[in-house]
Amino acid sequence: GESVGLHLPTLSVQEGDNSIINCAYSNSASDYFIWYKQESGKGPQFIIDIRSNMDKRQGQRVTVLLNKTVKHLSLQIAATQPGDSAVYFCAEKRGYQKVTFGTGTKLQVIP
Amino acid sequence: KAGVTQTPRYLIKTRGQQVTLSCSPISGHRSVSWYQQTPGQGLQFLFEYFSETQRNKGNFPGRFSGRQFSNSRSEMNVSTLELGDSALYLCASSVGTGGSYGYTFGSGTRLTVV
Repeated sequence: GESVGLHLPTLSVQEGDNSIINCAYSNSASDYFIWYKQESGKGPQFIIDIRSNMDKRQGQRVTVLLNKTVKHLSLQIAATQPGDSAVYFCAEKRGYQKVTFGTGTKLQVIP
Repeated sequence: KAGVTQTPRYLIKTRGQQVTLSCSPISGHRSVSWYQQTPGQGLQFLFEYFSETQRNKGNFPGRFSGRQFSNSRSEMNVSTLELGDSALYLCASSVGTGGSYGYTFGSGTRLTVV
């Protein structure tokens, strides 16, 4: 069945280091993947997305990598800052169907 | 431009009661989706409305219902509340159906059932 899973529930990184948050998905028919960031007391905020016909997409300090062979998605955050502390969700979508979210990874930035 | 507005922000209800939550999407967004978020469960899809029609539905009991008005504002209703309904209810609007071009979420309504 469909599922979007995350490898680690919590990730701690030193301020200034790079962070990598991983996500696995099971359905090869997924055509759109999104990363969201949720800070305490707020709704999820869109970070970056990638379509299935791409392998990599870069934004400001963030990069998303898609490996369709092993159905793996990752979010890389460069020079992690205290403001990056949050829960990160990967999500997948197929066509006009609903967006399915993973359970989230909590990123803790150590000053 | 105004974001997604959800009201109320916090709500405390008693078991057996019913509750109505409101969501005003971003101007121009015609799709509104609702999610339930509980600790450790991530976001569970409830339903999506587009142009006043329900387009997608999650695996929730019939006690959970929703509707969308002609101005794209949406409401969700939960009847006969149970303790397990305590959660953060998030509304997300998007231009197209199924979260096309990405969702914009509101800050949510925190529902506590006692």
